[in-house]
Amino acid sequence: DAGVIQSPRHEVTEMGQEVTLRCKPISGHDYPFWYRQTMMRGLELLIYFNNNVPIDDSGMPEDRFSAKMPNASFSTLKIQPSEPRDSAVYFCASSLNRLNQPQHFGDGTRLSIL
Amino acid sequence: KQEVTQIPAALSVPEGENLVLNCSFTDSAIYNLQWFRQDPGKGLTSLLLIQSSQREQTSGRLNASLDKSSGRSTLYIAASQPGDSATYLCAVQGAQKLVFGQGTRLTINP
Repeated sequence: DAGVIQSPRHEVTEMGQEVTLRCKPISGHDYPFWYRQTMMRGLELLIYFNNNVPIDDSGMPEDRFSAKMPNASFSTLKIQPSEPRDSAVYFCASSLNRLNQPQHFGDGTRLSIL
Repeated sequence: KQEVTQIPAALSVPEGENLVLNCSFTDSAIYNLQWFRQDPGKGLTSLLLIQSSQREQTSGRLNASLDKSSGRSTLYIAASQPGDSATYLCAVQGAQKLVFGQGTRLTINP
């Protein structure tokens, strides 16, 4: 079975540029999540959806960050404009049920903003 | 605010030993506790999920326990192998979100 698929795996860009990260959750999983992982702060939840609707975006750090889910099989996380402090590994995950099922993670996008 | 702590931050043991990783959390109002494994450059792989009403879960050489009242969980790895080398993270599911510890980096020496 295909797991959570993320693209690109690596992204290097200059500050001020727009960055778009992509995620394909596991088919049938109604709860996609976006996380950010850094050495200093560990793994942090940014936002999650249910049935394509954002439920909790309190972890989104600033208005420069936005996330969408145009359909059940595709989600994007956009940063505009990007800054060096946005450099991190961004993970997408999905689960069948938010409270009682494990979350399945993609391999992440390693983002470097120069 | 839920805080999750994992001790030690790093652990190195010879192959074949049994070992225990520790996780503590500050708020006992949880739905479940999950243990994950993360290999370098990879995402997290779910190992075990313990519901709040359960005391332990087992999968192969792994056994996880949960003492919700004291805010503690342990992950027991039997007969460790070099392939077990990875970072192990625990996470607690509250009403709002899954909160992660910083992880224990485990190295099994052949």
